[in-house]
Amino acid sequence: GAVVSQHPSRVICKSGTSVKIECRSLDFQATTMFWYRQFPKQSLMLMATSNEGSKATYEQGVEKDKFLINHASLTLSTLTVASAHPEDSSFYICSARLSGRDRDGYTFGSGTRLTVV
Amino acid sequence: GDSVTQMEGPVTLSEEAFLTINCTYTATGYPSLFWYVQYPGEGLQLLLKATKADDKGSNKGFEATYRKETTSFHLEKGSVQVSDSAVYFCALSGNNAGNMLTFGGGTRLMVKP
Repeated sequence: GAVVSQHPSRVICKSGTSVKIECRSLDFQATTMFWYRQFPKQSLMLMATSNEGSKATYEQGVEKDKFLINHASLTLSTLTVASAHPEDSSFYICSARLSGRDRDGYTFGSGTRLTVV
Repeated sequence: GDSVTQMEGPVTLSEEAFLTINCTYTATGYPSLFWYVQYPGEGLQLLLKATKADDKGSNKGFEATYRKETTSFHLEKGSVQVSDSAVYFCALSGNNAGNMLTFGGGTRLMVKP
């Protein structure tokens, strides 16, 4: 089946550094990738939607200069947390909409737990 | 806009007990409805889905019926196991631009032996 590989699964970084999270679609083309953020014991909040070859669309309240999304190819989307701070510590999950299928097809990465110290 | 409301947890049950997690939604048109499960430290996995009214989604003993008249999609299982302990998310895919998923708040299920 369609799989999204997300790396790293866990990362601990110092405050002020940048962290890149990658999501790769295996065996299918991910035209659209969704990036979610999940705080402890809370639901997933959509951060942004990226389409291959174009600028990402950010949800209200999400800083596009801090959460940099690149979707340069149909199989790779990246989220870079620029100058991370402790309040950015969270669980980040990507999700791809399956191109060519009906609108109900979504597959999720395994998530990245970011801890900023 | 679209929204999903599900019962707050945690829900604590003994093994073999009956499970119900309520989910109601607000959406225009005819959304598709989903239940996702998240095991500790992992991403989300699709548990089941229904795409039109009166459809019943089922998987691994779990089932949910798309009730348009009550705008509900309650998750049920007749006999839970310890391995079912996880967080369950109800979600919908509506007619919004991009057809993104809208999630409920999640319900943590804890099953004790």
